[in-house]
Amino acid sequence: DADVTQTPRNRITKTGKRIMLECSQTKGHDRMYWYRQDPGLGLRLIYYSFDVKDINKGEISDGYSVSRQAQAKFSLSLESAIPNQTALYFCATGRAGEINEQFFGPGTRLTVL
Amino acid sequence: QKEVEQNSGPLSVPEGAIASLNCTYSDRGSQSFFWYRQYSGKSPELIMFIYSNGDKEDGRFTAQLNKASQYVSLLIRDSQPSDSATYLCAVNPRGDMRFGAGTRLTVKP
Repeated sequence: DADVTQTPRNRITKTGKRIMLECSQTKGHDRMYWYRQDPGLGLRLIYYSFDVKDINKGEISDGYSVSRQAQAKFSLSLESAIPNQTALYFCATGRAGEINEQFFGPGTRLTVL
Repeated sequence: QKEVEQNSGPLSVPEGAIASLNCTYSDRGSQSFFWYRQYSGKSPELIMFIYSNGDKEDGRFTAQLNKASQYVSLLIRDSQPSDSATYLCAVNPRGDMRFGAGTRLTVKP
């Protein structure tokens, strides 16, 4: 079984719809992250959480919100999707510590029409 | 200025050659540095991390860090076609992570 799972893997939606992307992990890590990836722009951090009661904005949080329901679950919401939110979204987990390496889920490809 | 910049590529090397990937960063407070490999359509996977100045070797991979110059690099020796991928440099300035846009490497048989 994958350590970091994301659902759905693919989603096509329309402008103005509310969308939720979900991430679950079995790695026992405290830290969880949401990124989006666009061609030529690399990975950009949307939100991150260091524990259940901690939520932090990343580089590009506008238009997104998150919920950390449990240590193992971190969901990303687009309240009113717009076409420029079409991207590949990755969830990642990590441990606290000096190194802070991250482990990525398989990604969700989101298309907003 | 972007926080993390990589030579945009694409970079093409023949099989067996050394591939050199470069990265600069802007935040002097960054403590740890990472190289991720991402195959087309897949998620990034960590291949190296380094946090002390100098070189760190792991098999065919060598990461080099120079904090004074704010520069980190990745060398791949004896490049193989299976090394063809996008390589992402990442730095960890404040507990979060900042990624470069990536360098696409192609190793030609």
